[in-house]
Amino acid sequence: GENVEQHPSTLSVQEGDSAVIKCTYSDSASNYFPWYKQELGKGPQLIIDIRSNVGEKKDQRIAVTLNKTAKHFSLHITETQPEDSAVYFCAAPSPDTGRRALTFGSGTRLQVQP
Amino acid sequence: EAEVAQSPRYKITEKSQAVAFWCDPISGHATLYWYRQILGQGPELLVQFQDESVVDDSQLPKDRFSAERLKGVDSTLKIQPAELGDSAMYLCASSRQRTGASGNTIYFGEGSWLTVV
Repeated sequence: GENVEQHPSTLSVQEGDSAVIKCTYSDSASNYFPWYKQELGKGPQLIIDIRSNVGEKKDQRIAVTLNKTAKHFSLHITETQPEDSAVYFCAAPSPDTGRRALTFGSGTRLQVQP
Repeated sequence: EAEVAQSPRYKITEKSQAVAFWCDPISGHATLYWYRQILGQGPELLVQFQDESVVDDSQLPKDRFSAERLKGVDSTLKIQPAELGDSAMYLCASSRQRTGASGNTIYFGEGSWLTVV
């Protein structure tokens, strides 16, 4: 099945700095890579996603890059703010489910220090 | 904005008791998922429905867990009997297309926290 590895597990940055979270995946046929933000006590919320036909996608302060050859994708958050503090998960479609369901990484706890 | 509704939000139950969780996906969404999230880990798929049919339940502990989506709309996940190791957040999610995760957005509910004592 799909194996999604995520690093780092925790990340602390100063307000205004950039944060980068990296994920690798194992299934070369995966074609869709979402990132979710999960605040304490809430369900995961999609913040950005990328499909395999593009290498980068931006949405205001958030960007995702994809390297299909190396089978890794990254989340970039610029000008971080305290409200960015949360747990972030990357995911990829699981081939075991016909790529209908997502396999998630283990999560990165981001703390933005004011 | 439409949301995935789940209830109850919190449940405390004694081991060996039965517990049930309910989910109402976003209207018109054909695919429904139940995930389990243990504290400090990522969500893990338990079962996936396409309309009223189960398309994947390979990770569902069928000796104690059951799930149904009888009319292809809302769904119920049941645990009987509950064990201490079942303490986790149970997340329901849905996506519009029948192809599920292949390029289609999956939306999550707020989850149901289960504590087994």
